[in-house]
Parts: sequence; structure tokens; C-alpha cells
Amino acid sequence: QKEVEQNSGPLSVPEGAIASLNCTYSDRGSQSFFWYRQYSGKSPELIMSIYSNGDKEDGRFTAQLNKASQYVSLLIRDSQPSDSATYLCAVSPSGGYNKLIFGAGTRLAVHP
Amino acid sequence: DAEITQSPRHKITETGRQVTLACHQTWNHNNMFWYRQDLGHGLRLIHYSYGVQDTNKGEVSDGYSVSRSNTEDLPLTLESAASSQTSVYFCASSASGGDNEQFFGPGTRLTVL
Repeated sequence: QKEVEQNSGPLSVPEGAIASLNCTYSDRGSQSFFWYRQYSGKSPELIMSIYSNGDKEDGRFTAQLNKASQYVSLLIRDSQPSDSATYLCAVSPSGGYNKLIFGAGTRLAVHP
Repeated sequence: DAEITQSPRHKITETGRQVTLACHQTWNHNNMFWYRQDLGHGLRLIHYSYGVQDTNKGEVSDGYSVSRSNTEDLPLTLESAASSQTSVYFCASSASGGDNEQFFGPGTRLTVL
């Protein structure tokens, strides 16, 4: 069973701090990794994708991938109350042919 | 702008009834997916399609069916609705040969009484 694991949270951080969200996956052959943000009652929204080891930055967001450790993370700098949401990690499994496996999500709460 | 829409947005039905949820995308994506989302389970794949006339079962396909007669639409049918199928249903699509990025519709909240 190919799995994607996330801490369910809630992760509580003060406004302006760095939020660090983590995800591990079991399929060593996975090639594509995604972070989705989901506000309560809304659909998942793609915010970051990463395909190679290292860091990828986009504005206040940085995705980090370590395939050897089967670990992907999302850092949110200067966290804002509007970042409060559930963050879903998604992984494209080997032989998955465009399918994604989702983690259950980490709830982030940014308090003023 | 290209988009993906779902209808209805909310549906209440009774046990045993047949229900069809619509999904329509204007991205011209070949790949389309149906997920259900339940508390504590995250998104679970129900059915998916890689193109017209192609359909495949996901991890939680029992009691559901899909058909793909054109590129734009992938309706999801609950043959005989059960209370265990009360959930939020999301449709998603992605391009073939791309990087697997999936884009989601707004969701349908289904309640089976």
C-alpha cells in the first residue's frame, strides 16, 4: 500500500513566524510532489509542485524535497492569518500514470 | 478562462436512490478524477479516466460508476445510495503527459438519509 503521511495538527504559529509542514511517503519511485491548500468548505488549490531534490521557492512558500529520506516539506515564511487552512501533500506514485495519492492534511492555524 | 465545474453543489437524497453528480471541465484535459473526502481520511480516489471511453477503478470504487463519452465530462453515478456515501465529492482534471498537476472543481456535498 503506497502511503503519504502527514501530522494532522493543528499546527499553531504566531503571525509573522515560519510555519513548517512535513510529509513522508512510502513509494521510493515517486517522481512528482505537490502541496495543496484547502480552506474550510472549499476545494483543494495547488500552491507548489516540486520534482527534484532541493528547495523550490515561490514568494513566501518554499517546498523542500529529499528523495533519499522520502520526505517533502513546505515552509511558509511571514505567516499570515489568511494562511490558516489545511495543507495537503500529494505524491505521484511510480507507475501511477497521472494519479496522485494524498495525505490526510495538516491543519495550520496562524494567530495574530 | 478554463475551469472545472460540478453540479449540484449540494444534494440530499434517500437510501437506495440512484444519484448522478456532474463534472465538466473546459481545460481540454484528457485525465479526469473523482475523489471523496471524509474527516480523517483525506482525499480518496473513486474512479478516473485517461480519455474518452476509458474508465478505471480507484481505491474506493464499490457502489460507484462513471462513463466518459466526451473530453469535457465525467459524471459519477451512485447506483443505490447508502448512508456510508455521505461525503464531499471532488472532481479533478489534469493534462496528459504533463507533470501530474491536478486542478479541482468546487465540490458537491452529498447527504444520504
